[in-house]
Amino acid sequence: DAEITQSPRHKITETGRQVTLACHQTWNHNNMFWYRQDLGHGLRLIHYSYGVHDTNKGEVSDGYSVSRSNTEDLPLTLESAASSQTSVYFCASSGPPGTGAPQNTEAFFGQGTRLTVV
Amino acid sequence: DQQVKQNSPSLSVQEGRISILNCDYTNSMFDYFLWYKKYPAEGPTFLISISSIKDKNEDGRFTVFLNKSAKHLSLHIVPSQPGDSAVYFCAAGGDQAGTALIFGKGTTLSVSS
Repeated sequence: DAEITQSPRHKITETGRQVTLACHQTWNHNNMFWYRQDLGHGLRLIHYSYGVHDTNKGEVSDGYSVSRSNTEDLPLTLESAASSQTSVYFCASSGPPGTGAPQNTEAFFGQGTRLTVV
Repeated sequence: DQQVKQNSPSLSVQEGRISILNCDYTNSMFDYFLWYKKYPAEGPTFLISISSIKDKNEDGRFTVFLNKSAKHLSLHIVPSQPGDSAVYFCAAGGDQAGTALIFGKGTTLSVSS
């Protein structure tokens, strides 16, 4: 079955370290997204991509970066981790395969990565 | 500024009764709306959606109503069941390039038996 997987599920890192969270989907979706979930804020969009080599900033992109070198993966990098980036991170994907156009069909979410920055 | 607002952080309902969750949006460019359900320690799962060309969409016990003039949508769950207890997120998006799903803060629904 097609799926979307995130790794690691839990991560503890120190302030100032670079951290990369992985996201891999097997639906061949063009669209991929990264969100963070915080108490009192719901789900906030960090970065998103509508296809290979395409990346866009979301609502809370400062301190984060993404790259899309293939259809299946959208890794999220925290350049220099800060305590304010302690959160639960969700990756999602959507859209029919191979169209190259953004389509807002329902997005499928991964199980999340709980990141703690100490 | 919040583009998608869920003003009720929580809602408690008895089993068998109707649950009504509300959502307001400010961006008139949104033309596709979705509801997601989230259990603790899991990712959000898609529940139901509605396009801006419709005012109602029904799927089993779940119905979403859209009032474009008021920029308001609601999710009705009838009858409510204890297994419906979860956080419900309203999300909105559009067809234009450069948009992605924007979520509200969520409403925690508790259904008691």
